[in-house]
Amino acid sequence: KNEVEQSPQNLTAQEGEFITINCSYSVGISALHWLQQHPGGGIVSLFMLSSGKKKHGRLIATINIQEKHSSLHIPASHPRDSAVYICAVSRRRGAQKLVFGQGTRLTINP
Amino acid sequence: ETGVTQTPRHLVMGMTNKKSLKCEQHLGHNAMYWYKQSAKKPLELMFVYNFKEQTENNSVPSRFSPECPNSSHLFLHLHTLQPEDSALYLCASSQDLPTSGRTDTQYFGPGTRLTVL
Repeated sequence: KNEVEQSPQNLTAQEGEFITINCSYSVGISALHWLQQHPGGGIVSLFMLSSGKKKHGRLIATINIQEKHSSLHIPASHPRDSAVYICAVSRRRGAQKLVFGQGTRLTINP
Repeated sequence: ETGVTQTPRHLVMGMTNKKSLKCEQHLGHNAMYWYKQSAKKPLELMFVYNFKEQTENNSVPSRFSPECPNSSHLFLHLHTLQPEDSALYLCASSQDLPTSGRTDTQYFGPGTRLTVL
């Protein structure tokens, strides 16, 4: 079993729908990261959070440390949001080393 | 544009070839990373360099040899690779050294798509 699990693995939705991607982890962490990977490979860091909630444009990320769970919300989704969303955690020791989930492939149809 | 560049973007090589991947960061960061992304597998950390010193080798086979001549440049030298080494190789950088005690955002390059025949 992976230390970081994401669900769903694939998600297809219509433009305008509210999207939620979930991430659960089983190790102690210093921070959780949400990353976005577009076709072609480049990865962009969206969020780094260790508690509560953060907002970046329309995107919202939340984390519950006690439940070892984080969610990424995309309100009013748009086809340009289509990408692979990756959850990763930094462990308490060796904080530079990220452990990654397998990613969620999101497709938003017009 | 994240400030991290990688060359080449695509590479096809035979199992007996020797090639190198290059990464350069223009962000003034102190830490640099190599990651491997294989089809249908999570990203895997390969190496971490902090201020030119290798601080992490994630059990990577010796046919992959990293080099960090300064804190802005990172190379991955490839020698006698196997077809299963075909993957996207990503470089990243971050500001802080581990002694800072902080976890920092990592900035990724566009990757090199490697195919080993």
